[in-house]
Amino acid sequence: AQSVTQLDSQVPVFEEAPVELRCNYSSSVSVYLFWYVQYPNQGLQLLLKYLSGSTLVESINGFEAEFNKSQTSFHLRKPSVHISDTAEYFCAVRYTGGGNKLTFGTGTQLKVEL
Amino acid sequence: KAGVTQTPRYLIKTRGQQVTLSCSPISGHRSVSWYQQTPGQGLQFLFEYFSETQRNKGNFPGRFSGRQFSNSRSEMNVSTLELGDSALYLCASSLGQASAYNEQFFGPGTRLTVL
Repeated sequence: AQSVTQLDSQVPVFEEAPVELRCNYSSSVSVYLFWYVQYPNQGLQLLLKYLSGSTLVESINGFEAEFNKSQTSFHLRKPSVHISDTAEYFCAVRYTGGGNKLTFGTGTQLKVEL
Repeated sequence: KAGVTQTPRYLIKTRGQQVTLSCSPISGHRSVSWYQQTPGQGLQFLFEYFSETQRNKGNFPGRFSGRQFSNSRSEMNVSTLELGDSALYLCASSLGQASAYNEQFFGPGTRLTVL
């Protein structure tokens, strides 16, 4: 079965510290990978995506993620977090042949503290 | 350009009742997907509609149904509500082709509480 694993349900971190949110997916021939962010009482916003090409993808607000096919991972990183990064982060996979269906991980709550 | 809108934003129902949720996609988008978000199960795919046809379906009982109209607006219906149906229901729209290059945009969701 297709699945996405986010091992850390909560990650507390101090402001300006680096952070890594882990994501692993079940192997498939071809996948597209996404990170979404959800702020309280809001829907999901796309943070970044890997479709093809360079395995390192970046967002406009300093996050980056690296696609590692051999380890079936797509970990999200930021070298220096800000208090405004406090939110829940979801890793999602779209498998070829599945239409627009996204398979989500269980989410990681990132809490940035002063 | 207006985003994805969902109505109502909040809903309280009792067990056994039925409910209809509405989603208006971004103008020009023809695909609408629905997801259920709960603390225990996370985000789960319900179904996807494209050009008034269901293109994909998740593993939910038949009490969950949906439809799409010619203007791409979509509704989902849950009949015989159970306590476990309490969740945030999210709608996402995209241009339509099943291509990863077409970003999906999510609405703010409808929070359904079943008492």
